[in-house]
Amino acid sequence: DVKVTQSSRYLVKRTGEKVFLECVQDMDHENMFWYRQDPGLGLRLIYFSYDVKMKEKGDIPEGYSVSREKKERFSLILESASTNQTSMYLCASSTQQQGLGTEAFFGQGTRLTVV
Amino acid sequence: AQTVTQSQPEMSVQEAETVTLSCTYDTSESDYYLFWYKQPPSRQMILVIRQEAYKQQNATENRFSVNFQKAAKSFSLKISDSQLGDAAMYFCAYSFMGGSEKLVFGKGTKLTVNP
Repeated sequence: DVKVTQSSRYLVKRTGEKVFLECVQDMDHENMFWYRQDPGLGLRLIYFSYDVKMKEKGDIPEGYSVSREKKERFSLILESASTNQTSMYLCASSTQQQGLGTEAFFGQGTRLTVV
Repeated sequence: AQTVTQSQPEMSVQEAETVTLSCTYDTSESDYYLFWYKQPPSRQMILVIRQEAYKQQNATENRFSVNFQKAAKSFSLKISDSQLGDAAMYFCAYSFMGGSEKLVFGKGTKLTVNP
């Protein structure tokens, strides 16, 4: 069973803090993603990574950075948290192997509140 | 850029009835995947059904089926014999059939199932 685990389910941080959201997957997937989910806006891609140390900007990368030092772990970093980054953050992973449908597996989400 | 549009922010259905959720997408690619994901109140995003664009036959998974119209770029989800457990947010998603795919999501449809 594929498992994507996010380090926190709920998180409250202060404005200006540096915030780390961690995500670990156990299926040896090449691709990993960070999405932000807001009501009425669906899921918007922040960053994705298709290999260790590789990263690509998604649709809304401003204010975020990522790190992928190991294949199984993908971290989202808010360098200086702001109230407009209060949101639900979803991590996902998928394989690059052709024929397997590129189904993405998701973590349970981290609801981040910046006060 | 690829876009996915879900025109129904909310839908409701009576238990045991059938409901259809709409999705349209825009792409210039010929090979791609389309997905419907379900996100119940528990927040865990799970795959409901997947369609490969090169397959003409509509995908079916038990009570869930799709109507895939490639020329019209339409991908609707039909839920038959609706159950209370079907209540959730439903997201339509697109992925290019390449090696390092990313999922592009619609804004979601909230489905309510009335007893």
